[in-house]
Amino acid sequence: GIQVEQSPPDLILQEGANSTLRCNFSDSVNNLQWFHQNPWGQLINLFYIPSGTKQNGRLSATTVATERYSLLYISSSQTTDSGVYFCAVESGGTSYGKLTFGQGTILTVHP
Amino acid sequence: EPEVTQTPSHQVTQMGQEVILRCVPISNHLYFYWYRQILGQKVEFLVSFYNNEISEKSEIFDDQFSVERPDGSNFTLKIRSTKLEDSAMYFCASIKLNRDGEAFFGQGTRLTVV
Repeated sequence: GIQVEQSPPDLILQEGANSTLRCNFSDSVNNLQWFHQNPWGQLINLFYIPSGTKQNGRLSATTVATERYSLLYISSSQTTDSGVYFCAVESGGTSYGKLTFGQGTILTVHP
Repeated sequence: EPEVTQTPSHQVTQMGQEVILRCVPISNHLYFYWYRQILGQKVEFLVSFYNNEISEKSEIFDDQFSVERPDGSNFTLKIRSTKLEDSAMYFCASIKLNRDGEAFFGQGTRLTVV
């Protein structure tokens, strides 16, 4: 099956810093989503981005499907950004909508 | 904004007992999924469900697991005889349509088997 690798595994920032999280995948994808898992365990949708670039406030994401990677940018980080960020992809050859998740990036933002 | 709702938020059960985890997907969604996340690990696919039947299931989804859509709104995951290793967070997700593939997840049910 498809492999999804996220980097870095851990990231520690001071409030106000910027960061880039990366997601590499081993095969072509039909869908790619970024999630934030908050301290209560909830998965919050950040972006549905099978290709191209999207922005939402301080967050933006870019997927270059032909090169099999996606990037999540967090600018002016805040303590509330802390948590685990997951990339998840849907590849061809599986049932519609089935997502394969990466291992996640644990982000800690200190005040 | 419509959301996927799961109940209960936390369930503690004795090993060997049956549990039913409940989900109410977004009302006009057609594709339904269960995922699980063992503490500290990544989220894993369990099963997908469309048109009242299973589309795909993972190796984890053995004979102890079953899913059902008993009415037009609920989507349930049953574990017949729970084991300690079933302790995890279970997520329900739904997708609206083909060609609009964004998955929306519920808040999760944390299952603890003792």
